[in-house]
Amino acid sequence: EVQLVESGGGLLQPGGSLRLSCVGSGFTFSRYSINWVRQAPGKGLEWVSYISSSGSVVYYADSVKGRFTISRDNTENSVYLQVNSLRADDTAVYFCATSDGASGEIDKWGQGTLVTVAS
Amino acid sequence: SYVLSQPPSVSVAPGKTARITCGGNNIGSKNVQWYQQKPGQAPILVIYYDADRPSGIPERFSGSNSGNTATLTISRVEAGDEADYYCQVWDSTSDHQVFGGGTKLTVL
Repeated sequence: EVQLVESGGGLLQPGGSLRLSCVGSGFTFSRYSINWVRQAPGKGLEWVSYISSSGSVVYYADSVKGRFTISRDNTENSVYLQVNSLRADDTAVYFCATSDGASGEIDKWGQGTLVTVAS
Repeated sequence: SYVLSQPPSVSVAPGKTARITCGGNNIGSKNVQWYQQKPGQAPILVIYYDADRPSGIPERFSGSNSGNTATLTISRVEAGDEADYYCQVWDSTSDHQVFGGGTKLTVL
């Protein structure tokens, strides 16, 4: 069974940092691109970042560029999202999800991890 | 940046047909995906490449895309179809995935 499990969320103060993790199982992780998509409470979906299967290509939404860094370790079947300089509007559930390349459909999703930024 | 526009809500009676639109500049030239999200759950892909259905998605779900509008059509709507629906495209100009604002489907 294909499974993606996110972790690392929590309650942070503005300006803080944390690293989100996404671990995949049930499929050949190293063949798949991974996206991070977030959803603020009561709001819609917002794409955050993308990393190619090899890790050589990364993209970021304008709202997080320069503050967030995506990376992966295929030996650990893991993708990471380092989030720095957190702001209140970064409060959201963060989902990781596979896609068929950068432009393909986002087809398998994890259950998400909640990041709350508040003082 | 590329913008996708969806109606905030659509209501339909059980057994009827629901149509959810997604507007974007020349969206017909892009591949459109649709996702279903129920409260407290992760999104599920229901349509990709405008009109293809992943395995396990009922034939009642269909999609079309032309001009400036893509449409998700749900035939013979059931109570279990009540959810938020999001359209999504890849914007090659910005190298960004783009989501519409979402449409809440209410089954009366």
